[in-house]
Amino acid sequence: GAVVSQHPSRVICKSGTSVKIECRSLDFQATTMFWYRQFPKQSLMLMATSNEGSKATYEQGVEKDKFLINHASLTLSTLTVTSAHPEDSSFYICSATYGQGAFGYTFGSGTRLTVV
Amino acid sequence: SQQGEEDPQALSIQEGENATMNCSYKTSINNLQWYRQNSGRGLVHLILIRSNEREKHSGRLRVTLDTSKKSSSLLITASRAADTASYFCATPQGGSEKLVFGKGTKLTVNP
Repeated sequence: GAVVSQHPSRVICKSGTSVKIECRSLDFQATTMFWYRQFPKQSLMLMATSNEGSKATYEQGVEKDKFLINHASLTLSTLTVTSAHPEDSSFYICSATYGQGAFGYTFGSGTRLTVV
Repeated sequence: SQQGEEDPQALSIQEGENATMNCSYKTSINNLQWYRQNSGRGLVHLILIRSNEREKHSGRLRVTLDTSKKSSSLLITASRAADTASYFCATPQGGSEKLVFGKGTKLTVNP
C-alpha cells in the first residue's frame, strides 16, 4: 500500500533554531502533500498544501516565512520551522494523496517538536 | 477551518460493548472519511463513504451517511481494548483535495 515516511519522529530544539521535518512517499509519487499541525487533545489543522515543483499554498493565519515548505521532488516534501519558539511546539503530520481522484490519503507517523 | 463536529468528545466503554461516534458537517461533500489515531501517532484510514452511499461495512466497523442531515456515524462492534484511540471524521474541502478534520472522539475501551 501507499506509505509515507516522516522523520524525525521526535525532535527537541533550542529557541531560535530551525528544524526540518521530512516526508517521503515510499512507493508512489505524491504530486500533492499536506502539512498539518495538532495541539494536544485537539484535532488536525491544515497548515499548507505542498505541490511538487511549485510554491506551497498556505492556509489563512499560517506564517509562510516561519513554516517553509519545499516539495522538490515527487517523493519528498519538507517542512522547516524557522526561528522556532516554544509556542511552535506541537505535533506535525504530513499527508499525501495517491491513486485516482482525491479519495486515497496516507499519513506520516508525525513529528513531535519541542522547543525549549 | 473545522468542517466536522464529532460527538461525543470522549467515550468510555467496556470491552465487548459497541461504540458509536457521530460526525456532523456543514457543506456538501463528495465523500466522508473516518480515521483512527493512537496517542502520539499518525492517522490510520479506516473507511471512506461516498456521498451516494448510505451505509458501509468493514469488519467490525459500520459507517452510515445521511446527506440530508449532513451527518455520519461510526459504529465499532464488539470493542476491544486495542480500539482505544481517537477517531476523526474528515471531508475534502470544497472541490479540492484538502481534508478538513472534525474535532474527534476519544474512545477508551476498558478491559
